[in-house]
Amino acid sequence: EIVLTQSPGTLSLSPGERATLSCRASQSVSGSYLVWYQQIPGQAPRLLIYGASIRAPGIPDRFSGSGSGTDFTLTISRLEPEDFAVYYCQYHGSSIFTFGPGTKVDLK
Amino acid sequence: QVQLVESGGGVVQPGGSLRLSCAASGFTFRSYDMHWVRQAPGKGLEWVTFIRYDESKSQYADSVKGRFTISRDNSKNTLYLHMNSLRAEDTAVYYCAKPTYSTSGHFEHWGQGTLVTVSS
Repeated sequence: EIVLTQSPGTLSLSPGERATLSCRASQSVSGSYLVWYQQIPGQAPRLLIYGASIRAPGIPDRFSGSGSGTDFTLTISRLEPEDFAVYYCQYHGSSIFTFGPGTKVDLK
Repeated sequence: QVQLVESGGGVVQPGGSLRLSCAASGFTFRSYDMHWVRQAPGKGLEWVTFIRYDESKSQYADSVKGRFTISRDNSKNTLYLHMNSLRAEDTAVYYCAKPTYSTSGHFEHWGQGTLVTVSS
């Protein structure tokens, strides 16, 4: 069973700052199956990144993903007011679908 | 544009049953795997189940295996989730989700969700 751990639990930042979110897998996984979502309270999740680094359609280029093996990172280069939300990583592979617990990015 | 509209949520007693529906439009429904993902109040996302586009395969999270059944009617562009033996821990918003590509495991489109509350 692959378990995803996200850190930090909460990230307190100001608009314009850089956000770096971590997702760690309990065993090495293919980056092809590592995904990031954004969820604003009261809304459905929004796909940001798939294949570890491929931006979904319509996602601004301030969002970027990287990583391999067990360690993956979502970076928001300069936070906009609409970016304060919860971010989840997800792994999918061999009909296994699992989400991380999430990182909340809130206003400092 | 792609639309996914869930319905069928509500309040049900422990041990009871409920059927959720997800009406799909704006894409070729019969060509896509479909998934259910849930979110308990104040908690994170939990994948529940998926069904292959041609109904040839389905898979369940351990937490719902043997109690929930996913199905689809490709002639009606509708996805279903039949939930039996409901427990308090099944209380959640249930989302249907469409993959980016036919059988991919990442979800580009989501419904607005339907709330299921299991309580006596």
